[in-house]
Amino acid sequence: ILNVEQSPQSLHVQEGDSTNFTCSFPSSNFYALHWYRWETAKSPEALFVMTLNGDEKKKGRISATLNTKEGYSYLYIKGSQPEDSATYLCAFIGGGSYIPTFGRGTSLIVHP
Amino acid sequence: NAGVTQTPKFRVLKTGQSMTLLCAQDMNHEYMYWYRQDPGMGLRLIHYSVGEGTTAKGEVPDGYNVSRLKKQNFLLGLESAAPSQTSVYFCASRTTSDNEQFFGPGTRLTVL
Repeated sequence: ILNVEQSPQSLHVQEGDSTNFTCSFPSSNFYALHWYRWETAKSPEALFVMTLNGDEKKKGRISATLNTKEGYSYLYIKGSQPEDSATYLCAFIGGGSYIPTFGRGTSLIVHP
Repeated sequence: NAGVTQTPKFRVLKTGQSMTLLCAQDMNHEYMYWYRQDPGMGLRLIHYSVGEGTTAKGEVPDGYNVSRLKKQNFLLGLESAAPSQTSVYFCASRTTSDNEQFFGPGTRLTVL
């Protein structure tokens, strides 16, 4: 079983704060990394698919970076809003694997 | 496009009863997955399929069986339900590339 770690486990911020969290994964045999946003009582929805070392992706106030050589990805949220409250999951896919390995997620709560 | 659908949405079983959860996708995806979500455990893979007629075990397959007789459907069966199988079950599908997974809305199962 591959080791995919996310930190912190949970995060409370005030509206307007910028925040970031980390996904760590094996630095060998990398194929792709996915970020998902998972709101309570809903199902996970994909934010980003990242495949190349140095990739930077952006969607509105949310962005992500990827370092495959050292095995980590950062997710940034600029100017957090209450509607950003969710669990953010990352999933690592190794070369030749059909199976994404998920981290346990970072739970973000943005207080008005 | 309905995307990924799951039937039923909720179910309560007694210990020892059997049931089948149905996952259907209309996106012509090759890969399909069954996960369970438990507090503090994230998403754990039960079984997966890389194409019609094929299935494979995931991280936590014991007590479950699956079938993929048609490309669009992936069935998860519990032959003799146990309280430890109380969980929220998510189905997901994706294409054969590095693309993201699309998740169903989940099935909340309680075993008494």
